[in-house]
Amino acid sequence: AQSVTQLDSHVSVSEGTPVLLRCNYSSSYSPSLFWYVQHPNKGLQLLLKYTSAATLVKGINGFEAEFKKSETSFHLTKPSAHMSDAAEYFCVVSNTGGFKTIFGAGTRLFVKA
Amino acid sequence: GAVVSQHPSRVICKSGTSVKIECRSLDFQATTMFWYRQFPKQSLMLMATSNEGSKATYEQGVEKDKFLINHASLTLSTLTVTSAHPEDSSFYICSARQQGRNTEAFFGQGTRLTVV
Repeated sequence: AQSVTQLDSHVSVSEGTPVLLRCNYSSSYSPSLFWYVQHPNKGLQLLLKYTSAATLVKGINGFEAEFKKSETSFHLTKPSAHMSDAAEYFCVVSNTGGFKTIFGAGTRLFVKA
Repeated sequence: GAVVSQHPSRVICKSGTSVKIECRSLDFQATTMFWYRQFPKQSLMLMATSNEGSKATYEQGVEKDKFLINHASLTLSTLTVTSAHPEDSSFYICSARQQGRNTEAFFGQGTRLTVV
């Protein structure tokens, strides 16, 4: 069985400060893990993905995430928030068989000027 | 990267009518497509998994006669919301998995359905 938990429903940061969006997962298989971003009334955009290669994954727009098997975590970080980062972020787990994709509940990121 | 096109992006329909949403993989063949529904301020919920040439597999609680899925080719899946009601108003998103690639799925832009 697979599940994914995003620990914060809302995160608020000031522009220029670091961003941390937390995600824990459970999986019976070696998982593939993804972070997606969704801007209002838009579809999903892939930020980054982990598929059993390097544990530190770099994505688009300065985001990165570290896969920590011992902690079953895949937290998303960015050194310096920008106003355009304000959006909904989803952590996603998929087994390597590829036929089940489970979404976290989402974390809404607010960026203050 | 691979592109998935979903059409229409927005649709408003009258209660009791049916609406068809298309999901196309533009530059790859997709043996499997997924349909999700997103309620306001909530996460995406998988509705069904569509395999080319066979019947879709619906998640528990999803009415297959209400949400008709057809995956007639390797590049097209359709979701038809039949006899739509206001409670069917939602954001519907499809994703497609490349043939031979078993992890990453690519998402369409989504369809905002409003039933009045």
